[in-house]
Amino acid sequence: DAKTTQPNSMESNEEEPVHLPCNHSTISGTDYIHWYRQLPSQGPEYVIHGLTSNVNNRMASLAIAEDRKSSTLILHRATLRDAAVYYCILMNAGNNRKLIWGLGTSLAVNP
Amino acid sequence: GAGVSQSPSNKVTEKGKDVELRCDPISGHTALYWYRQRLGQGLEFLIYFQGNSAPDKSGLPSDRFSAERTGESVSTLTIQRTQQEDSAVYLCASSLVATANTGELFFGEGSRLTVL
Repeated sequence: DAKTTQPNSMESNEEEPVHLPCNHSTISGTDYIHWYRQLPSQGPEYVIHGLTSNVNNRMASLAIAEDRKSSTLILHRATLRDAAVYYCILMNAGNNRKLIWGLGTSLAVNP
Repeated sequence: GAGVSQSPSNKVTEKGKDVELRCDPISGHTALYWYRQRLGQGLEFLIYFQGNSAPDKSGLPSDRFSAERTGESVSTLTIQRTQQEDSAVYLCASSLVATANTGELFFGEGSRLTVL
């Protein structure tokens, strides 16, 4: 299964944009890029996903490189509630969600 | 209920005892997944159900672990003869369909297991 690599930690100030990078150089053509986040003492929460085109939703934006070997999750205005571990994972119809979850990026948001 | 419900939220047990962890998925979700998360680690896949059948049990770490699902609803993860290394948060997730594009995973808050 294709893996992703993310920085261990990042820091941001409240109300500033945050760009969380993810590398997935071995991504296959059928892999979708999904982002989840995990707040302390909670289960992961879906953020956004995409295949090739950039995506926007109420929580965030996802920018996908043209070669799909990397992507960036964009939080437009960080809030204290956005402090969490962000996971970038690859999903396809064949892996039955036997997903490889790395350690993610721990985002700290300063007031 | 509105979301995935797991019970118990916390369980402390003695080494060698059996434990059962329960997951109530979102109504109508056909796919159900169990993951394990050790302290400070990412999620580790355990088992996946499509309906009541488990096409993929490859993540179960040993024969002490088993899971079942009945009525395309509730699932139970059973750990027999618990060991200290079983201490972790056990997370359950469900999705409407087991497809990559539309199958957003909805997670419960997990069951924290501590084996003394």
